[in-house]
Formats: sequence, structure tokens, C-alpha cells
Amino acid sequence: GAVVSQHPSRVICKSGTSVKIECRSLDFQATTMFWYRQFPKQSLMLMATSNEGSKATYEQGVEKDKFLINHASLTLSTLTVTSAHPEDSSFYICSASRTGGWGYTFGSGTRLTVV
Amino acid sequence: KQEVTQIPAALSVPEGENLVLNCSFTDSAIYNLQWFRQDPGKGLTSLLLIQSSQREQTSGRLNASLDKSSGRSTLYIAASQPGDSATYLCALYSGAGSYQLTFGKGTKLSVIP
Repeated sequence: GAVVSQHPSRVICKSGTSVKIECRSLDFQATTMFWYRQFPKQSLMLMATSNEGSKATYEQGVEKDKFLINHASLTLSTLTVTSAHPEDSSFYICSASRTGGWGYTFGSGTRLTVV
Repeated sequence: KQEVTQIPAALSVPEGENLVLNCSFTDSAIYNLQWFRQDPGKGLTSLLLIQSSQREQTSGRLNASLDKSSGRSTLYIAASQPGDSATYLCALYSGAGSYQLTFGKGTKLSVIP
């Protein structure tokens, strides 16, 4: 079955530093990957859609200069939270859509805590 | 704008009971609907995917139905087990030129042994 690996699962960083989160599709090619953020007791909110080889499309209200997304290959997308602040603390989840297929496979998520 | 509502927000049942989780949506022009399970601090596991042309999907003890005209979907869990305890999310893809999923807030299920 389709597997998406997300790392790290948990990270604590100091305010002002940058954190990179990786999302890899292990056994399929993903033309499109998605990045979500989830606050406690809230639904997943889409942050951005990344397509391999092109710039990511950000949802309204998401700062593209703060949340840098790179989708350099069909199996890897990265999200970098730059100059992190405590309000960026959240659960970040990526998902991938199989090229030419349906359904979404999600990573295991990354718990980011900014102190 | 599509809005997805899941009721109840939390549900506690004794082991062995059958139960139904509800999902309603405001725009019936959907392409497909997907039910997910999320364990605490974890990612999402896809349970069932229903295409807009389908009315239900079954997998083991799970059955999901879709009624586009009324804007509703239900997830039926038979003979619940403690291992079913998790948050269940429904999500819709409206097919509006992207692959964006719109999620509900989920129903947190606790199955008491």
C-alpha cells in the first residue's frame, strides 16, 4: 500500500530558529503533496499545495515567506518554518496524492513546539 | 464555501455496541468523500473512500454511506472494540480544480471495555 513517511515526528526549537520537516512517498510517485496544520481540537487546515517542480500554492492567510515549501522530486516535499515563534507551535501533517490515482495518504505528522 | 460538520464531537460507548458517526456538508457538488481515523498525536489513516457516484463502501466492520442530495454521510461501526478508540474525520473533495480536501473537526470516539 501507499506509504508516506514524515520526519521528524516531534521537534522542539527555540524562538527565531528554522525547522525543516520532510515528507516522502516511499512506494509511489506523488505529483502533488499537501501540507496541513492542526491546532488542538480543530480540524486540519490546508496550508499549501505543492506540485513537483513548481512553486507551491498557498492558502489565504498563510505566509509563504515564513512557510517555505520545496517539492524537488516526485517523492519528496519539505516544509521549512522560518524564524519560528511560539504561535507556530502546532501539529503539521503532509499528505500525498498518487499520480494518476485517487485517495490521499497522510504522513504521521510532526509536533512542533517553539519555546 | 464548503463547510463540513461532524456530530457529535465526542462519543463514548461500551464495547460491543454498534454506532454511527455523522458528517454533514453544505455543498452537495462533491467529487468524493473520505473517512479517516486519527490516533492521538498521529497522522491520518484512510478508512473508506466513496466516490460521488457511489452510495456506500464497506470494509470489515465499517460501512460508510453517502447521500449527496441531503448533504450527509455516515460511518457505521459494528461491534465496537477498545481499539476503535480514536478521532474519526470526514473530508470532502469538491473537485474545484485542485485536490484540496475540506475536513470536519472530527468525532472523538471512546470505546469502554
